[in-house]
Amino acid sequence: AQKITQTQPGMFVQEKEAVTLDCTYDTSDQSYGLFWYKQPSSGEMIFLIYQGSYDEQNATEGRYSLNFQKARKSANLVISASQLGDSAMYFCAMREGPIRSGAGSYQLTFGKGTKLSVIP
Amino acid sequence: NAGVTQTPKFQVLKTGQSMTLQCAQDMNHEYMSWYRQDPGMGLRLIHYSVGAGITDQGEVPNGYNVSRSTTEDFPLRLLSAAPSQTSVYFCASSYSRPSGGTDGELFFGEGSRLTVL
Repeated sequence: AQKITQTQPGMFVQEKEAVTLDCTYDTSDQSYGLFWYKQPSSGEMIFLIYQGSYDEQNATEGRYSLNFQKARKSANLVISASQLGDSAMYFCAMREGPIRSGAGSYQLTFGKGTKLSVIP
Repeated sequence: NAGVTQTPKFQVLKTGQSMTLQCAQDMNHEYMSWYRQDPGMGLRLIHYSVGAGITDQGEVPNGYNVSRSTTEDFPLRLLSAAPSQTSVYFCASSYSRPSGGTDGELFFGEGSRLTVL
């Protein structure tokens, strides 16, 4: 079974509208972390937002928020007031287990990504 | 303010040739890793290292070797290139202690696009 599932290969959104990118995850660990990265057409990976499994509040970073529903194992990214510069690939990723120095616990497992296109 | 530096950015190889992708980070990060990105597949972990002298395999290690002789450097070696290794390769590193509330964020290099003919 896939550990990270992004069911939307492509999405379109009108400029200035909000959009939700879906991500579900599968883990039996109690401690884990969820990440979203943006990859514009230039190719670099840009960190957007992080949610820890024990964080009680949904993470927010500017126009990005993470809708974390632990029981459903979902970690959807919400982008408010979309801009043309938001057109990119978006990847959801998970780290399983707590961070432990000297262990392989920094590994991130990535989903296959969602291509977001913002329409003027 | 270099962060993670990968070289070369582009490379074309013939089947059977060998080469090394270089990766260096100046953030004193304990953890370093290599991913490959293929269309429709996301990023898949090739090898990783949790410190100098320690390496381990990821999801897709076949055909690749790594070593970690220093904290800063983590080269990826293709021993005998095959067309199936045509991909974009990313080096990424992370720190051992949470900072700013982000626990284990990966810092990525700009990527290396490899074509094997």
